[in-house]
Amino acid sequence: KAGVTQTPRYLIKTRGQQVTLSCSPISGHRSVSWYQQTPGQGLQFLFEYFSETQRNKGNFPGRFSGRQFSNSRSEMNVSTLELGDSALYLCASSFLPLAGGSETQYFGPGTRLLVL
Amino acid sequence: KNEVEQSPQNLTAQEGEFITINCSYSVGISALHWLQQHPGGGIVSLFMLSSGKKKHGRLIATINIQEKHSSLHITASHPRDSAVYICAVPYGGSQGNLIFGKGTKLSVKP
Repeated sequence: KAGVTQTPRYLIKTRGQQVTLSCSPISGHRSVSWYQQTPGQGLQFLFEYFSETQRNKGNFPGRFSGRQFSNSRSEMNVSTLELGDSALYLCASSFLPLAGGSETQYFGPGTRLLVL
Repeated sequence: KNEVEQSPQNLTAQEGEFITINCSYSVGISALHWLQQHPGGGIVSLFMLSSGKKKHGRLIATINIQEKHSSLHITASHPRDSAVYICAVPYGGSQGNLIFGKGTKLSVKP
């Protein structure tokens, strides 16, 4: 099976612009989570989607938004970019067992965003 | 207080040494994840465990739910084990919402 893919891999934007990042999960996975990684804050949870519904949202401003499509692909959008948004954005997918239990997260390679 | 604490932050070892990385957490959990991140950013899930011990090759992970503590051991360490090791726990019962430790940067010298 192909792994989790993210596009683009690298991106340079300027303050005030907006950006859309894409994540394609492993085939059959219906859960997608997004994370931001910065040197200062480490890894932080952004959102979690399952079957096109946002299940959880982390403590980020409303400039950060996301969505999931019927094929489980997900996008996240950051509007009015700030310098502090420079980070590695990672998505992870998992197959949510119908019977509950725990899920292994499979991470994509990330999109490295630089805001100038 | 961070909900997930890792120690040590940095670790340098000689090839062949036995390595232990510790993780303590303060929230109730159903499972704990150990992740490996190489330079360049890619993250690989090493273990997900909810009790006892798991082993994969030279890697061993243990967890004590009562004490809210987990350890990752690497036996016969090798320079290719050099990476950042991160523990993570699900928050609020949702497996897709992970809280992460700050990571342990491991450098194994030949």
